[in-house]
Amino acid sequence: GAGVSQSPSNKVTEKGKDVELRCDPISGHTALYWYRQSLGQGLEFLIYFQGNSAPDKSGLPSDRFSAERTGGSVSTLTIQRTQQEDSAVYLCASSLGVGSRAYEQYFGPGTRLTVT
Amino acid sequence: TQLLEQSPQFLSIQEGENLTVYCNSSSVFSSLQWYRQEPGEGPVLLVTVVTGGEVKKLKRLTFQFGDARKDSSLHITAAQTGDTGLYLCAGAAGSARQLTFGSGTQLTVLP
Repeated sequence: GAGVSQSPSNKVTEKGKDVELRCDPISGHTALYWYRQSLGQGLEFLIYFQGNSAPDKSGLPSDRFSAERTGGSVSTLTIQRTQQEDSAVYLCASSLGVGSRAYEQYFGPGTRLTVT
Repeated sequence: TQLLEQSPQFLSIQEGENLTVYCNSSSVFSSLQWYRQEPGEGPVLLVTVVTGGEVKKLKRLTFQFGDARKDSSLHITAAQTGDTGLYLCAGAAGSARQLTFGSGTQLTVLP
């Protein structure tokens, strides 16, 4: 079956502009995660959605970052007033969310964001 | 805050050699995963270990979870050029689902 898909694959934006990044999880996966990967920082957790529960936003670095998940499927990560330090690869992952394989996360190819 | 330290950070070896990558923490993890990532792609799950002392084998790769569930190792036997990539360990603590990732080991296998 189809894996996790993300769009766009690359995004170049000017400092101060807003950007939206999209993630389509694997069908049937109830959990969805956003991570950020940058040089020198490794992979950082941003936000986690599980079913209809309130999302875990504990990893969001500032209030310029927000995310939504509509209909328990597609998710959008929005970064407002982008800064150069936001430049990174943004990775989305999904998992079954429950059961013995709940921890197994499957990643999309990522969106490379460059803020100029 | 749970931290995972991986070593070595970089490893360059000849094809056919064996290697071990380590992942250590002072925290206990309920599960630990190993991923491999290639340039321009997302991490790909290799294995999940959940029981202290557990050993899993995946062809030439052997994964071990420490008895106290604080550390793990990945051993590759007779490395091949196709094993080249960034190896990441990641742990889930308690009931949390989000993963804490190690800093990664960049492995290069030379022909």
